Amino acid sequence: NAGVTQTPKFQVLKTGQSMTLQCAQDMNHEYMSWYRQDPGMGLRLIHYSVGAGITDQGEVPNGYNVSRSTTEDFPLRLLSAAPSQTSVYFCASSYTSQGKILHFGNGTRLTVT
Amino acid sequence: AQSVSQHNHHVILSEAASLELGCNYSYGGTVNLFWYVQYPGQHLQLLLKYFSGDPLVKGIKGFEAEFIKSKFSFNLRKPSVQWSDTAEYFCAVNGYSGAGSYQLTFGKGTKLSVIP
Repeated sequence: NAGVTQTPKFQVLKTGQSMTLQCAQDMNHEYMSWYRQDPGMGLRLIHYSVGAGITDQGEVPNGYNVSRSTTEDFPLRLLSAAPSQTSVYFCASSYTSQGKILHFGNGTRLTVT
Repeated sequence: AQSVSQHNHHVILSEAASLELGCNYSYGGTVNLFWYVQYPGQHLQLLLKYFSGDPLVKGIKGFEAEFIKSKFSFNLRKPSVQWSDTAEYFCAVNGYSGAGSYQLTFGKGTKLSVIP
């Protein structure tokens, strides 16, 4: 049972480039979310989804897009990378939005130069 | 909007000392409360949770937390810390945000360093 799988683990981008961070879970969880973690800021919610075909914005959505075409996958797209998006990104899922016992992926460390 | 406040940014303790990390939240409705732990270089994992019932909850590795509704607090405690408890600890609150959706908000974290 793999849990939540994130790829890649590390990525370096130049300003203006685009990329997609992949997230997949095999636990049949309804709820999936993306957080960014920055020193002294804790975890901030970027986007979340309560089920296939449903997405919504979190606290810091600007510069990011998401889609949820299947229950398993929840990719995060950076449209035009900026240095302010240098961060560690975590994907997390839970069985329901209400229960919210999150299972986290191992994170993606992104550097934008 | 709900918010979570963790009082200490960095706590340094010697092994066997007692630990208490403060967490206060602002939200008027029913909440679920969590403490997550992040060991160096790893992802977050659940330490303990409170949904309802006994306000004193016990988690893994000897940690416990007490929910005090009147104070909007959910402090984390451990009687005797070990070097292996060195990690960052995050308090989180899950509150109803309308239209069937629940919003999970994290505090900014408290870094715990335990000195052998």
